Amino acid sequence: GESVGLHLPTLSVQEGDNSIINCAYSNSASDYFIWYKQESGKGPQFIIDIRSNMDKRQGQRVTVLLNKTVKHLSLQIAATQPGDSAVYFCAENDSSGSRLTFGEGTQLTVNP
Amino acid sequence: DAMVIQNPRYQVTQFGKPVTLSCSQTLNHNVMYWYQQKSSQAPKLLFHYYDKDFNNEADTPDNFQSRRPNTSFCFLDIRSPGLGDAAMYLCATAQGSNQPQHFGDGTRLSIL
Repeated sequence: GESVGLHLPTLSVQEGDNSIINCAYSNSASDYFIWYKQESGKGPQFIIDIRSNMDKRQGQRVTVLLNKTVKHLSLQIAATQPGDSAVYFCAENDSSGSRLTFGEGTQLTVNP
Repeated sequence: DAMVIQNPRYQVTQFGKPVTLSCSQTLNHNVMYWYQQKSSQAPKLLFHYYDKDFNNEADTPDNFQSRRPNTSFCFLDIRSPGLGDAAMYLCATAQGSNQPQHFGDGTRLSIL
């Protein structure tokens, strides 16, 4: 399953499928990006980050892709599990490097 | 083990009655942040401390203030809470610029 981020804030997938969550960022000067997972009643949890000198970075079951040409960021989750159900936020830094701007968020629901 | 600790998890106060939310960290990070998050929205940065330097966001109401007496602790003071201030308040820390922010699980503030 795939989301369009700002235009489709919900994504529903079947357990075991791969998920793709998309994010369009606004600041072409941003050079640091993060994906967070937020479960109900909890704070955002760091998943993976990427710097602008890379276009792909892999973690455990997650991959982040960065396309600076079109200012697009995506998070791929392999073999999605029910525990992956949460809201996912992308975030980009500002010129100071100290402040993050969060995207709208995408609600991922994994159906058993 | 929790590294960014927010107390209390739930806080109820009366309209106009000052309230203080607290955050502590065991990470020895230089930067501490306060965010406001309303239902189904992304976290919104209120202010942050880089060491002892206070950085206020332009649109943060004067009603919101912060104190950082030492590296480990940071407080959010709401001088005269209004109904619109009911939200989840998240504290985060970062080692420095262009580093991941680590969030606590937040304090949910209700206004009677």
